Amino acid sequence: EAGVAQSPRYKIIEKRQSVAFWCNPISGHATLYWYQQILGQGPKLLIQFQNNGVVDDSQLPKDRFSAERLKGVDSTLKIQPAKLEDSAVYLCASSQPGGGGAYEQYFGPGTRLTVT
Amino acid sequence: AQRVTQPEKLLSVFKGAPVELKCNYSYSGSPELFWYVQYSRQRLQLLLRHISRESIKGFTADLNKGETSFHLKKPFAQEEDSAMYYCALKGNYKLTFGKGTLLTVNP
Repeated sequence: EAGVAQSPRYKIIEKRQSVAFWCNPISGHATLYWYQQILGQGPKLLIQFQNNGVVDDSQLPKDRFSAERLKGVDSTLKIQPAKLEDSAVYLCASSQPGGGGAYEQYFGPGTRLTVT
Repeated sequence: AQRVTQPEKLLSVFKGAPVELKCNYSYSGSPELFWYVQYSRQRLQLLLRHISRESIKGFTADLNKGETSFHLKKPFAQEEDSAMYYCALKGNYKLTFGKGTLLTVNP
């Protein structure tokens, strides 16, 4: 099966500019996640969607970050305006619904963002 | 709050030696623990989960609720095991990752 797709793979912008990332999950996966991974740290969940509804966005900096999944498939994550500390790899992942038990998340290749 | 601690940033062993990657967690509920692995130039992927109690690529991990640990072990390390390993805890429908341990297996 095709994996999680993300684009672009790399992006360099100046602070205060805007940027958007795109994610296409594995077909049939209802749950989609966006993670931020700063160098030297583990992935941190920014937002989790179940179909097109938000399950958890408690760690999303909502003053500058936004995300949507309008049709319950693709998703975009936007940063506006970017700050230096937003430099990180942004990972998208998808999974089947949890069903109350353990579940596997499938990760995309990530987008490496550098803010100068 | 849920937290995962991986005390070692780097771990270096020789081929054929035993390896143990440590993971401790903090969570008030009943935890579900996972190990994810990222090989060089590859995506982050699931290695094993404590619920299935399986051995993948010779790795095992036992959940010790008394010590709140989920250490990853392999009796004989191989060069192809060199990778970044992340311990993760599922709580409140959210996955929390540790900072990771970079394992290097030397020939």
